[in-house]
Amino acid sequence: GNSVTQMEGPVTLSEEAFLTINCTYTATGYPSLFWYVQYPGEGLQLLLKATKADDKGSNKGFEATYRKETTSFHLEKGSVQVSDSAVYFCALSERGYSTLTFGKGTMLLVSP
Amino acid sequence: EAGVAQSPRYKIIEKRQSVAFWCNPISGHATLYWYQQILGQGPKLLIQFQNNGVVDDSQLPKDRFSAERLKGVDSTLKIQPAKLEDSAVYLCASSLATGSGNTIYFGEGSWLTVV
Repeated sequence: GNSVTQMEGPVTLSEEAFLTINCTYTATGYPSLFWYVQYPGEGLQLLLKATKADDKGSNKGFEATYRKETTSFHLEKGSVQVSDSAVYFCALSERGYSTLTFGKGTMLLVSP
Repeated sequence: EAGVAQSPRYKIIEKRQSVAFWCNPISGHATLYWYQQILGQGPKLLIQFQNNGVVDDSQLPKDRFSAERLKGVDSTLKIQPAKLEDSAVYLCASSLATGSGNTIYFGEGSWLTVV
């Protein structure tokens, strides 16, 4: 079956530091890949997505590249802000389907 | 545009009691999902509707959980009787349609504590 593995948190960074959150997946076929973010007290929001190999999703300074050869979709940001503190979820959906399979989430804490 | 609405936001019940959660999806969205998120884990799909028909309920514990989507709009998720391990956040989500090109939008969730 499909599965998503994320690095365990919390990830603790100072403001303006570089962020990487690792995500790898196992899937049959050729999935679409997503990063969702959950701010404290709020629902899940789509951050970015990629639907084919070598696609780069980007939004709000965050980027992730779909790497089929390493089955990875690592999230990066060059300079984090305190307001980026949240839980980040990597997810996939099988080709042709919208249903999401999520990783366990990685908490990011950014201090001033 | 209004988002996915859920109620109640918080509920505490004793084991063996029943509880119901309500969801109103984004207007025009044909596909509706219920996910269960246990603390420290990612959301897990319980059931998916396309209009008022069930697309996938393979992970719904049908001995205690039920869900319906009358008239293809609002949906209700019911748990009866509740167990301690049902303590979780129940997330409702919607999308325009099924298919991997459709973005899924989530509500804020209904937090359930079973004591």
